[in-house]
Amino acid sequence: GNSVTQMEGPVTLSEEAFLTINCTYTATGYPSLFWYVQYPGEGLQLLLKATKADDKGSNKGFEATYRKETTSFHLEKGSVQVSDSAVYFCALSDPRGGADGLTFGKGTHLIIQP
Amino acid sequence: EPEVTQTPSHQVTQMGQEVILRCVPISNHLYFYWYRQILGQKVEFLVSFYNNEISEKSEIFDDQFSVERPDGSNFTLKIRSTKLEDSAMYFCASSDRGRGYTFGSGTRLTVV
Repeated sequence: GNSVTQMEGPVTLSEEAFLTINCTYTATGYPSLFWYVQYPGEGLQLLLKATKADDKGSNKGFEATYRKETTSFHLEKGSVQVSDSAVYFCALSDPRGGADGLTFGKGTHLIIQP
Repeated sequence: EPEVTQTPSHQVTQMGQEVILRCVPISNHLYFYWYRQILGQKVEFLVSFYNNEISEKSEIFDDQFSVERPDGSNFTLKIRSTKLEDSAMYFCASSDRGRGYTFGSGTRLTVV
């Protein structure tokens, strides 16, 4: 079945540091890939997505590139801010699309210190 | 931007009671979902719904759970007899064929 593996947290960085959160997946075919962010006490917000190999999703300074050869979708940001502190979830949708739900990773708690 | 709306935002219920969690998906979406997130753990798929019937469900979605689309706009999750371990955040989502998922802000269910 489908699965998503992402690095365990918490990840603690200083403001303006470079961020990488690793995500790899297992799926047959070509799933769509997503990063969701959950701020404290809030729901899930789509951060970015990529629907095919070599696509780069980007939003709010975050980027992730769909790498089919390494089955990865690592999240990066060049200079993090305190406001980026949140839990980040990597997810994939079944390549068949349609009714199947998203498969989520366990989440990575990111803490940015001033 | 269109939103998925969930009510209530918080629900406290006694063990053994029935609860209904409500969701209004995005109007032109065709697929509807419920997910669960136990505190501090990952988000887990419960069920998907398409064309007025369940399409897929996970092992978590046992006979205690049911979903319904009672009218053209609402999508509900019912838990018949709540247990302590049902305490979690429940997220509703809708999508336009599995490419664009939008989540609601969740209902925090506390079973006491």
